[in-house]
Amino acid sequence: DVVMTQSPLSLPVTLGQPASISCRSSQSFVHSDGNTYLDWFQQRPGQSPRRLIYKVSNRDSGVPDRFSGSGSGTDFTLKISRVEAEDVGVYYCMQGTHWPWTFGQGTKVEIK
Amino acid sequence: EVHLVESGGGLVQPGGSLRLSCAASGFTFSTSWMGWVRQVPGKGLEWVATISQDGNEKYYVDSVKGRFTISRDNAQNSLYLQMNSLRAEDATVYYCARCVAHSAAFWGRGTLVTVSS
Repeated sequence: DVVMTQSPLSLPVTLGQPASISCRSSQSFVHSDGNTYLDWFQQRPGQSPRRLIYKVSNRDSGVPDRFSGSGSGTDFTLKISRVEAEDVGVYYCMQGTHWPWTFGQGTKVEIK
Repeated sequence: EVHLVESGGGLVQPGGSLRLSCAASGFTFSTSWMGWVRQVPGKGLEWVATISQDGNEKYYVDSVKGRFTISRDNAQNSLYLQMNSLRAEDATVYYCARCVAHSAAFWGRGTLVTVSS
């Protein structure tokens, strides 16, 4: 299985400041169709997960543009340009190229 | 608007069975891959199973192979997960998900499975 490793696991941030989460995979996962299926999810307290980013850098509909995804190969990053109170929660990366699709352990974002 | 509503969770004894259901609306169910994801306490999220639009392709995580069966009824816009030989480690929240671009683009609210004697 492709192992997804996130860092940090806990991220205290100041409102209005940027935040960055790293996701590294145990192997490259470029699909035979040429796409890299790397996604980011947000899970707010008490809610179901919500997809923010798909295929590395594509924002889902309704996702604020302060969220951005980047990366290639085995190294990927989710950035929040200016953290807002509603961004508190756990963030997960996920690869959807090789079955079983696998998630990172999650990064808990909280306000300092 | 996409709507996914899970049901069928509950308390079951170790070795018992449960059938989870997911009622889908707001999109063309018959053209969507679907899946089940569970939230493992202390371990995060785990893809359990996924199924193709016509039900001919099914994939399972190793830990549930031979015990769980994913299926769908496109006429009823419904997804199912038959869970047999349940273990303590299967106890958690199960989410129904609509797959778009090899990913869980939309999630239900989840249904809780408890395995205990």
